[in-house]
Amino acid sequence: KNEVEQSPQNLTAQEGEFITINCSYSVGISALHWLQQHPGGGIVSLFMLSSGKKKHGRLIATINIQEKHSSLHITASHPRDSAVYICAVRIGTSGSRLTFGEGTQLTVNP
Amino acid sequence: DAGVTQSPTHLIKTRGQQVTLRCSPKSGHDTVSWYQQALGQGPQFIFQYYEEEERQRGNFPDRFSGHQFPNYSSELNVNALLLGDSALYLCASRLAGGGEQYFGPGTRLTVT
Repeated sequence: KNEVEQSPQNLTAQEGEFITINCSYSVGISALHWLQQHPGGGIVSLFMLSSGKKKHGRLIATINIQEKHSSLHITASHPRDSAVYICAVRIGTSGSRLTFGEGTQLTVNP
Repeated sequence: DAGVTQSPTHLIKTRGQQVTLRCSPKSGHDTVSWYQQALGQGPQFIFQYYEEEERQRGNFPDRFSGHQFPNYSSELNVNALLLGDSALYLCASRLAGGGEQYFGPGTRLTVT
């Protein structure tokens, strides 16, 4: 069993829809990252969370430390949001090693 | 302010050869990590360098080695390449004291 599990693996939405991607982890962590990866490979960091909630534009990320669960929400989705969204955690408190989920492929159709 | 840069962008090698990938961290960052991402999978941690020493290592064989230079840039070396080494190799940098990791665009390695 992976230490970081994401759901769903694939998600197709219509433009304007509200989207939720979930991430569950089974170990103690010091931080959780949400990352976006477009075709071609480059990874962009969207959020780094250790508690609570963060918002940036149409993106919202929440984390529940007790339940070991995080969600990434996209409001008013747009075709340019189509990408792979990856959850990654920093286990423990030392180093910068990240453990990644498998990613969620999001496709937003116009 | 340049972000994390990697070179080359793409590389094709033959089984048994050796390869060196390069990474320059974001300005001001002193810690560099390397990840391998096979097609359709999430990245896997290879190792992390800080103060020119390997500080953490993932579950990769000794064929994978690295180096960090005094200017914080880093190299990833892979010897005796296998077909299974074909992947996107990502470099990420951060400050040792904490903060977000910034990723480079990656080097796509194909082993034939």
